[in-house]
Amino acid sequence: QQQVKQSPQSLIVQKGGISIINCAYENTAFDYFPWYQQFPGKGPALLIAIRPDVSEKKEGRFTISFNKSAKQFSLHIMDSQPGDSATYFCAASKFSSGSRLTFGEGTQLTVNP
Amino acid sequence: DAGVIQSPRHEVTEMGQEVTLRCKPISGHDYLFWYRQTMMRGLELLIYFNNNVPIDDSGMPEDRFSAKMPNASFSTLKIQPSEPRDSAVYFCASSRTLGNTIYFGEGSWLTVV
Repeated sequence: QQQVKQSPQSLIVQKGGISIINCAYENTAFDYFPWYQQFPGKGPALLIAIRPDVSEKKEGRFTISFNKSAKQFSLHIMDSQPGDSATYFCAASKFSSGSRLTFGEGTQLTVNP
Repeated sequence: DAGVIQSPRHEVTEMGQEVTLRCKPISGHDYLFWYRQTMMRGLELLIYFNNNVPIDDSGMPEDRFSAKMPNASFSTLKIQPSEPRDSAVYFCASSRTLGNTIYFGEGSWLTVV
């Protein structure tokens, strides 16, 4: 019930293309869904997050789409750039009742110039 | 804010030696987490503290691992004796509340030979 499954494990996209990473969760009590971005040699850092009261959140080229009925959420990176090459982790938690974040397995994104 | 500070950044040690990793969380954060990251297992939560008290240590792999938080601004993760399979990046992270945004340090890269 605490698992968050992420796919694909790795993704290669051409510069200017759209990168899409998907996550699925089991626990319907989850109410906070962040995405973390990790560059080589660095710790993961919060990229963007969404609550289930909205179906989409956009920040610049990054968009989270959320489908509550399917228990899925995804990260879309528009106009992908080589500087976006990193590992992306989705996560989920029961923020309102104070449960810790559960992370997905991570997706290694490579954007070719 | 200085962020989460970890030391050492890199450590190479011989099998059987004791390893101590150190962490200073962000001031005002009540939760401190220790994660381990490997290629095979991804990001694993080892233990977390709330107000210096260990809450969940179910992720600690064996008795060789121990963690302490003697005060709000300092925590250690100790491995004794270390083994080659302990080679990984160990991240310390902190947050204001459980389930909220987690801020990671830059990690301690451990190699046990």
